[in-house]
Amino acid sequence: AQTVTQSQPEMSVQEAETVTLSCTYDTSESNYYLFWYKQPPSRQMILVIRQEAYKQQNATENRFSVNFQKAAKSFSLKISDSQLGDTAMYFCAYGGQFYFGTGTSLTVIP
Amino acid sequence: KAGVTQTPRYLIKTRGQQVTLSCSPISGHRSVSWYQQTPGQGLQFLFEYFSETQRNKGNFPGRFSGRQFSNSRSEMNVSTLELGDSALYLCASSFTASGRVGYNEQFFGPGTRLTVL
Repeated sequence: AQTVTQSQPEMSVQEAETVTLSCTYDTSESNYYLFWYKQPPSRQMILVIRQEAYKQQNATENRFSVNFQKAAKSFSLKISDSQLGDTAMYFCAYGGQFYFGTGTSLTVIP
Repeated sequence: KAGVTQTPRYLIKTRGQQVTLSCSPISGHRSVSWYQQTPGQGLQFLFEYFSETQRNKGNFPGRFSGRQFSNSRSEMNVSTLELGDSALYLCASSFTASGRVGYNEQFFGPGTRLTVL
């Protein structure tokens, strides 16, 4: 079975700084999708970024980018120029049949 | 387009009772998935329905069941409630023909907070 591990339960970052959230996963499949979702205190989960495993280029969405290391089964999320609105729980998820990590609670400090 | 809606938003039940949660997907989305979110276990996949058929299932006991109607609205039922069923239940919809959940973006609803006393 696939597993997703987020080893950082909580993180904080100063506003305008850069922070990286870690995620590792385990799978025997060769093609799959990986996702980062954000769940703000209002609880509405929204997609941040998606990466397809066969694409070697790392996905980027504005201030959000990933470092996808397929051989190492690592999928970290980098948030640049952190903003107060980035404060949320961040979940790494493995596609196929959704497996989520336990989340990282990110707090952006003014 | 309206987002995914879930009703009710909050529920309080007692052990042994049963409960039904409802989810209305985004218009045009035929896939509806359900997740249980708890502080200890994180987010866990319950099941997915596509065109009124359960297409994928997570590792939950048979007390958890669901169905989908012809308009893609979905309901989830939990029978014989246990204290451990207290959780936030999230519904997500996606526009997908793929047989595998997770290959397309999922749009989540706000969740139903279930408390079992």
